[in-house]
Amino acid sequence: QKEVEQDPGPLSVPEGAIVSLNCTYSNSAFQYFMWYRQYSRKGPELLMYTYSSGNKEDGRFTAQVDKSSKYISLFIRDSQPSDSATYLCAMHMDTGRRALTFGSGTRLQVQP
Amino acid sequence: NAGVTQTPKFRILKIGQSMTLQCTQDMNHNYMYWYRQDPGMGLKLIYYSVGAGITDKGEVPNGYNVSRSTTEDFPLRLELAAPSQTSVYFCASSTTDGGNQPQHFGDGTRLSIL
Repeated sequence: QKEVEQDPGPLSVPEGAIVSLNCTYSNSAFQYFMWYRQYSRKGPELLMYTYSSGNKEDGRFTAQVDKSSKYISLFIRDSQPSDSATYLCAMHMDTGRRALTFGSGTRLQVQP
Repeated sequence: NAGVTQTPKFRILKIGQSMTLQCTQDMNHNYMYWYRQDPGMGLKLIYYSVGAGITDKGEVPNGYNVSRSTTEDFPLRLELAAPSQTSVYFCASSTTDGGNQPQHFGDGTRLSIL
């Protein structure tokens, strides 16, 4: 079983739709939860990070973490064609292991 | 501001050949990382470095070597290329390894071994 599970998609939505992207994880030691966006033929770039449980909002993007369920989500409101990319969740333990643990990514296509 | 620069962008190798993937960053970051990204598998850490002269293995180090002689450069070497090393390789850097510090990625090297 992978430590982090993410639906690979692809997910296709019309412009203006609300998008929900999700990851589940098995290791309760994870403390930081991140979402990276990766455009085709590019490296990942950090969108948002959240520490422990709770919500965080940044413009059209909202990240939610539910540590009791080991479940994290990224919501995109009023989705735009420019949001078309692969979205990777990533997690960090804050102590011990230095690396990020990534999900496999969900490919999102926003149709104009 | 260039950020993290990787060269080459593409490369085809024959089995048994060797090559070095170059990575340089201009952000004065102490921490640098090498990942590989296989389809449907996410990014897996190969090696990382916490500063010049200090390197350590990640999750999938076999078949690779690294060195870190300067803060800016972190090359990854493949000694005897194998088909299983066909992948996209990403270099990243960060100020610290804390979870609240973003890792800055290069645009990758796409490597095929035939």
